[in-house]
Amino acid sequence: NAGVTQTPKFQVLKTGQSMTLQCAQDMNHEYMSWYRQDPGMGLRLIHYSVGAGITDQGEVPNGYNVSRSTTEDFPLRLLSAAPSQTSVYFCASSYSTPEGEQYFGPGTRLTVT
Amino acid sequence: QQQVKQSPQSLIVQKGGISIINCAYENTAFDYFPWYQQFPGKGPALLIAIRPDVSEKKEGRFTISFNKSAKQFSLHIMDSQPGDSATYFCAAYTIQGAQKLVFGQGTRLTINP
Repeated sequence: NAGVTQTPKFQVLKTGQSMTLQCAQDMNHEYMSWYRQDPGMGLRLIHYSVGAGITDQGEVPNGYNVSRSTTEDFPLRLLSAAPSQTSVYFCASSYSTPEGEQYFGPGTRLTVT
Repeated sequence: QQQVKQSPQSLIVQKGGISIINCAYENTAFDYFPWYQQFPGKGPALLIAIRPDVSEKKEGRFTISFNKSAKQFSLHIMDSQPGDSATYFCAAYTIQGAQKLVFGQGTRLTINP
């Protein structure tokens, strides 16, 4: 099993550009989520999904979109990048809920200039 | 508004010493409290977790102490080793309402040899 994979590892965007961060898991997990990690702020939930076709907002959803067309994939879209979105982004998955082990991907470091 | 408050933000401990990280929460509906460990450049990984029906859980050198009345829980690392140097996150979850895992701000732990 590859576990949770994320692409790209690094990305630099200019303000106003859009892009999609990819996340995939091969563990047949129903629950998937996106977090951003900023110094002193911990991990903050952006969006999450409890299964294919079902998504919901987390703590900091503004400026981000998600969709879940398959169990395996959960892409995160930045609609119009802003410097405040400079962060490290982590995708995570777990069997059915966040209770129990969440498996995190290796992260994407995004810089918006 | 941070639902889980973690302290200290950084901690330096000598090899062989005890590392203690504290977390406090407000929502009494939380019923699952995990700790995640993150090494530089990696995603977080589940270290140990506790439910409020027990006051302590031990796994090897790692112990969670839980005080339900004070709404506090802490991670103790006994005989701390340089390989324990990492960032540690506490988190909390409730099955009531939205399926969200809420993280603390994180503690950067350094174990000096």
